Amino acid sequence: ETGVTQSPTHLIKTRGQQVTLRCSSQSGHNTVSWYQQALGQGPQFIFQYYREEENGRGNFPPRFSGLQFPNYSSELNVNALELDDSALYLCASSLDFGYTFGSGTRLTVV
Amino acid sequence: TQLLEQSPQFLSIQEGENLTVYCNSSSVFSSLQWYRQEPGEGPVLLVTVVTGGEVKKLKRLTFQFGDARKDSSLHITAAQPGDTGLYLCAGAGIIRDDKIIFGKGTRLHILP
Repeated sequence: ETGVTQSPTHLIKTRGQQVTLRCSSQSGHNTVSWYQQALGQGPQFIFQYYREEENGRGNFPPRFSGLQFPNYSSELNVNALELDDSALYLCASSLDFGYTFGSGTRLTVV
Repeated sequence: TQLLEQSPQFLSIQEGENLTVYCNSSSVFSSLQWYRQEPGEGPVLLVTVVTGGEVKKLKRLTFQFGDARKDSSLHITAAQPGDTGLYLCAGAGIIRDDKIIFGKGTRLHILP
């Protein structure tokens, strides 16, 4: 299967709850990156995983955590949700130059 | 500090006109990418430029990488309504190896 698939597409959570977002990478891509995109902004780098290990992190608190699995699929976990966490969360997989993005998960925290 | 400055932030022009959007930084990139994003979708890669001074063409779109690899431009000839979208530039190799950092984007609207 080609392309990057993210699930769910939309999600509504209450402040203080925890959420897990999922990403299935493009076939053959061993690197996955997660981005947060607030309305009207460019994507902000959260972290990157390469072969199941974190390989760089942006300015996000520890309550944002991730996992990459042997099949290169990935999860983004956010604990203690805050209203400002409402955003489009994008997963991107890559092998060389250029990333392939999924369509994102729209998270709304109320 | 915004590492990548895109300008203009918003642009609304008539179909058939030409336009240029810019991506500037004080940092040197190992590569720079341009993406186009439509509402409700993730960004789609248009082009990657690697060599200073490089020019790449994609139909009516022309991408240029500055000689010093600090800036880039995207020129669209004879814009069409289908060009409407958010255009994002992203630089790699600034902070962490190949991690890419995005600008805030230029929101382009082509009026029919």
